[in-house]
Amino acid sequence: QKEVEQDPGPLSVPEGAIVSLNCTYSNSAFQYFMWYRQYSRKGPELLMYTYSSGNKEDGRFTAQVDKSSKYISLFIRDSQPSDSATYLCAMSANDYKLSFGAGTTVTVRA
Amino acid sequence: NAGVTQTPKFRILKIGQSMTLQCAQDMNHNYMYWYRQDPGMGLKLIYYSVGAGITDKGEVPNGYNVSRSTTEDFPLRLELAAPSQTSVYFCASSYSLFREGNTIYFGEGSWLTVV
Repeated sequence: QKEVEQDPGPLSVPEGAIVSLNCTYSNSAFQYFMWYRQYSRKGPELLMYTYSSGNKEDGRFTAQVDKSSKYISLFIRDSQPSDSATYLCAMSANDYKLSFGAGTTVTVRA
Repeated sequence: NAGVTQTPKFRILKIGQSMTLQCAQDMNHNYMYWYRQDPGMGLKLIYYSVGAGITDKGEVPNGYNVSRSTTEDFPLRLELAAPSQTSVYFCASSYSLFREGNTIYFGEGSWLTVV
């Protein structure tokens, strides 16, 4: 079993739709949870950072963590064509190493 | 502020050749990393360093070597290139992740093809 499993996608949604992205994990030592966005032929960049169960909102983005179920989600409201990218979940059990999901490619159709 | 700079951007190697991917960061980060990214496989950690003079293996270190003589530089050496090393390589750096807002900063990537 992989340490981090991410819904594979790809996802294609119309502009304005809600995008839902999900990851599960097996390592109960993970304490910090992040979502990265990666545009084509670019390096990943941090989108959201959470360290406790519950919801965290930043503009159109909401990150949700459920440590009891070992499940994290990212929601994108009012999706835009500029949100078309690959989204990677990442988790850390210590202060310097991240474990990544395989990524979900999202296309928002205008 | 350049962030994390990787060179070269693209390279084609023949089987058995060797090369070094260069990486430099100007953020004074103590932690540096090399990842490889294959289609549908996410990012796999090759090697990491927690400070100058200290390196350690990640998930997929075979066929690679690293050194960290300064805080800024973390080159990745490929010895005897094999087709399985065809991938996109990302160098990254960070401070401690145990502080909200701290994150790993990635370079733009190096596309390597071994033929």
